[in-house]
Amino acid sequence: ETGVTQTPRHLVMGMTNKKSLKCEQHLGHNAMYWYKQSAKKPLELMFVYSLEERVENNSVPSRFSPECPNSSHLFLHLHTLQPEDSALYLCASSQDYGSWSYNEQFFGPGTRLTVL
Amino acid sequence: DAKTTQPNSMESNEEEPVHLPCNHSTISGTDYIHWYRQLPSQGPEYVIHGLTSNVNNRMASLAIAEDRKSSTLILHRATLRDAAVYYCILKGINAGNMLTFGGGTRLMVKP
Repeated sequence: ETGVTQTPRHLVMGMTNKKSLKCEQHLGHNAMYWYKQSAKKPLELMFVYSLEERVENNSVPSRFSPECPNSSHLFLHLHTLQPEDSALYLCASSQDYGSWSYNEQFFGPGTRLTVL
Repeated sequence: DAKTTQPNSMESNEEEPVHLPCNHSTISGTDYIHWYRQLPSQGPEYVIHGLTSNVNNRMASLAIAEDRKSSTLILHRATLRDAAVYYCILKGINAGNMLTFGGGTRLMVKP
């Protein structure tokens, strides 16, 4: 596997279910990100982890719970979601969380989530 | 945060050059200009970035106005594979590595 992988690619869940999204990066990076992309809306940054510590949490509802057990893996635990949470959830990684210019983010293909 | 303005959509013919504009009139002196693109059913991918000088890489060229209030991403010969949403993003020196995506420009390439 190369780059950033996400599983599952598609997920359908009921509002009372609990599920988890998984992201794995094979690039040796130290920073990982969760984004949400709803239909007809720009990508929204949800969470950022740097060296397994959460450094950004952009007012995301508590029904979304991130976990970063090591620098290669990132999870997004979901529980009691709402239909409006249906979206494409994208994971990304970068060398680190520094603001230096050439620190591009590498994105995975996303998980398409549908909440019924 | 300094914001960017891009046209919602553009059309191009295959094998012709494409110029994708971006306005960023409130850019600060330390903001870098980054471009990403998102192909259908994929996550975004980095295209190019610059600060003041024009930049070239294997994917595209970036032309930056002298006053830095606008920039243009240039695809020298558009292919069908270049059909995507192109995002122009300003990244500040004190913003960590945060990227704030706007609506981008949807580029359609006609055969």
